[in-house]
Amino acid sequence: NAGVTQTPKFQVLKTGQSMTLQCAQDMNHEYMSWYRQDPGMGLRLIHYSVGAGITDQGEVPNGYNVSRSTTEDFPLRLLSAAPSQTSVYFCASSYSKGIGTQETQYFGPGTRLLVL
Amino acid sequence: TQLLEQSPQFLSIQEGENLTVYCNSSSVFSSLQWYRQEPGEGPVLLVTVVTGGEVKKLKRLTFQFGDARKDSSLHITAAQPGDTGLYLCAGERGSQGNLIFGKGTKLSVKP
Repeated sequence: NAGVTQTPKFQVLKTGQSMTLQCAQDMNHEYMSWYRQDPGMGLRLIHYSVGAGITDQGEVPNGYNVSRSTTEDFPLRLLSAAPSQTSVYFCASSYSKGIGTQETQYFGPGTRLLVL
Repeated sequence: TQLLEQSPQFLSIQEGENLTVYCNSSSVFSSLQWYRQEPGEGPVLLVTVVTGGEVKKLKRLTFQFGDARKDSSLHITAAQPGDTGLYLCAGERGSQGNLIFGKGTKLSVKP
């Protein structure tokens, strides 16, 4: 198993450009999520999905869109990049999610994004 | 408002010393997880604690969940340079069990 993979590893964008951060998992996990990690802020949840066709907003969803057409893939779209979106983005997945399920969440290696 | 407060934010110690990292909240969590993250990589789960008062041990690491399920601690005995990294606590809340992360404790263990 490759686990959780993310592409690209690094990206530089200009303000206003759009891009898609890719995330894929080969563990047949139902739950997938996107976080951003900023210095001194910890990880903050952007969007999550509990299964194909189902997505919901996390703590900091503004400026980002997601879709979940397959179990394996969960892309994150920046429609019009802003310098405030400079961050490290992590995708994570687990078999299922629900309060108290205690499922292990597996994180990808991250995408480092710089918006100029 | 930061729901989970971690302390200390930075910790630099010598090999062989003991240390404790704290994770505190005014909110109750159904479970709490501890992760370790190395530079350039994603967080890796160390442990999940669920029951108030629960204590779990992972070799030299001891994790405790507070009786009221609002706080947790991570104690490392005889720290080694390989323990160096960012330690994150995360509380599970909400109907979907989403995680709320603390800001992390950056540990450096010098040989």
